[in-house]
Amino acid sequence: DIQMTQSPSSLSASVGDRVTITCRASQSISSYLNWYQQKPGKAPKLLIYAASSLQSGVPSRFSGSGSGTDFTLTISSLQPEDFATYYCQQSYSTPPETTFGQGTRLEIK
Amino acid sequence: EVQLVESGGGLVQPGGSLRLSCAASGFTFSSYEMNWVRQAPGKGLEWVSYISSSGSTIYYADSVKGRFTISRDNAKNSLYLQMNSLRAEDTAVYYCARVTVQLERWALDYWGQGTLVTVSS
Repeated sequence: DIQMTQSPSSLSASVGDRVTITCRASQSISSYLNWYQQKPGKAPKLLIYAASSLQSGVPSRFSGSGSGTDFTLTISSLQPEDFATYYCQQSYSTPPETTFGQGTRLEIK
Repeated sequence: EVQLVESGGGLVQPGGSLRLSCAASGFTFSSYEMNWVRQAPGKGLEWVSYISSSGSTIYYADSVKGRFTISRDNAKNSLYLQMNSLRAEDTAVYYCARVTVQLERWALDYWGQGTLVTVSS
């Protein structure tokens, strides 16, 4: 099974800050990596697919990069609505048995 | 507007059964692969099961294999998860989620609001 490890597990930041979250895969997954945002009591929302492509309707302050085993999600200028938990997900496995990272909780400083 | 609405959750005793439903609207349900993903209270996301658009291909996580059954009725725009032999560790919010394929990569682009399953005596 492919394991996904996110860091940090939690992060405190202020509105306007630039924030980077890292996701590492236990083996190479090319660019088969997605990022989701989840707010308390809500379903996850797709932000980034294929490692670096912005999902329709997602603000351009969100960006993704990486390939192979190391990936990053960057928020260029934090907005109040961005405080949430972020998950990475690999979609490399065949059959489609996907795994998620453990999550990164982004809190207001 | 794409909508996925889960139902069927509730409190069940260990060893019991429950059937979850996911009603889809706003898109051609029969053209999309679907998944169930769960989230234990205060924990992360765990993939549970996958079903192809026709229902002919199905996969399960090892943790539920042999106990859960995924199915769909394309005529009714509905996805199901039959859960048998339930255990305390199955306690979670269960989400249905639609698969999107872009740039030859797949992701989960729409999710339902979730339904809570609590397994406890």
